[in-house]
Amino acid sequence: ELKVEQNPLFLSMQEGKNYTIYCNYSTTSDRLYWYRQDPGKSLESLFVLLSNGAVKQEGRLMASLDTKARLSTLHITAAVHDLSATYFCAVDTPHLFAGNNRKLIWGLGTSLAVNP
Amino acid sequence: DVKVTQSSRYLVKRTGEKVFLECVQDMDHENMFWYRQDPGLGLRLIYFSYDVKMKEKGDIPEGYSVSREKKERFSLILESASTNQTSMYLCASASRAGVMETQYFGPGTRLLVL
Repeated sequence: ELKVEQNPLFLSMQEGKNYTIYCNYSTTSDRLYWYRQDPGKSLESLFVLLSNGAVKQEGRLMASLDTKARLSTLHITAAVHDLSATYFCAVDTPHLFAGNNRKLIWGLGTSLAVNP
Repeated sequence: DVKVTQSSRYLVKRTGEKVFLECVQDMDHENMFWYRQDPGLGLRLIYFSYDVKMKEKGDIPEGYSVSREKKERFSLILESASTNQTSMYLCASASRAGVMETQYFGPGTRLLVL
């Protein structure tokens, strides 16, 4: 069974600091997604990582994928308060099911609080 | 921009009531999903539809049914609401291009069952 584990689940950090969120998954997968959810709001897609060694950056966030280690990281550089949110990673299941589709398996999310 | 809308942001219902949650997307996506989100449990897939009138059970379909009569609309039905169905319900849609594409989420419906 495919499992996705994020750590830490809760992270409190100071503005200006760097930190990394980790996403481990248990079997091979073709794609890994990072989403952001602001309090009381819905999920917004941040990154899609498609292959080993893929790296994507948007502002102070950088995501990378190591398919051999089954690990993705979301690195936060010089955090600002606006980055306070919950960050989810999700991976495609390796097996096709109905309509030749796959489903996503989600991590539990990392709740990030950036403090002044 | 992809837009996914849900019929209600907040809903309060009584135990035993039949509840309809509606989701509409405007990007001609083939795939649509219903999730529920609970603290400490993350997102759990309730049902998935990959075409009109086609549906597949997700991980927690018990107590729910769905309807997809039109491509843009995917409805979640709680046949007889129970207090353990109090949750945040999220609808998502995605195009289908051989492999699952990015899912786009609606704003969510926070349902309280009394």
